[in-house]
Amino acid sequence: EIVLTQSPGTLSLSPGERATLSCRASQSVSSSYLAWYQQKPGQAPRLLIYGASSRATGIPDRFSGSGSGTDFTLTISRLEPEDFAVYYCQQYGSSRFTFGPGTKVDIK
Amino acid sequence: QVQLVQSGAEVKKPGASVKVSCKVSGYTLTELSMHWVRQAPGKGLEWMGGFDPEDGETIYAQKFQGRVTMTEDTSTDTAYMELSSLRSEDTAVYYCATTVTIFGVVIRWFDPWGQGTLVTVSS
Repeated sequence: EIVLTQSPGTLSLSPGERATLSCRASQSVSSSYLAWYQQKPGQAPRLLIYGASSRATGIPDRFSGSGSGTDFTLTISRLEPEDFAVYYCQQYGSSRFTFGPGTKVDIK
Repeated sequence: QVQLVQSGAEVKKPGASVKVSCKVSGYTLTELSMHWVRQAPGKGLEWMGGFDPEDGETIYAQKFQGRVTMTEDTSTDTAYMELSSLRSEDTAVYYCATTVTIFGVVIRWFDPWGQGTLVTVSS
């Protein structure tokens, strides 16, 4: 099973700052099978990025994804108040899906 | 646009079973591949299993094999997840979420998600 590790665990930033979130896989992941989600308290996760770098419908262009192999990054170029949330990466491989433990982006 | 609406919260005793439903609208269930993901209080997301159109069968995460059953009623476009032999560690929000197949390519991310169903296991 592919294990995903996310860092940092918590990112404390101010609105307007840039957020860089990391997702590292225990073995190589197809970029086609790497996704990112945002989750706010009491809500279901929402798809942000699929295929490592494609934004889902309705996602603002301040969100971008990059990476390949075992290292992937989610970047929020300028944090808006509504972006403070928990972010999860997810991969698919060998008929199984796994999620990373999440990165919490909170207000500094 | 696909919408998923799940059944309401449940409280169960240890050893019991729970069955959560997920009603699809906007599409038919046969056009989608349904999966189930759970989230314990204050914890991360955990994939439990779902239908793999490439394999033509439902795949369960090893952790839940023998204890979980995922079924579908295509006449009502409703999916079900039943978890048996419940223990306190099964207290969690259970989500249904879908993948689709587009022009023969199986999409391997989840969109959309149901609103979640809280299952509490307590004596």
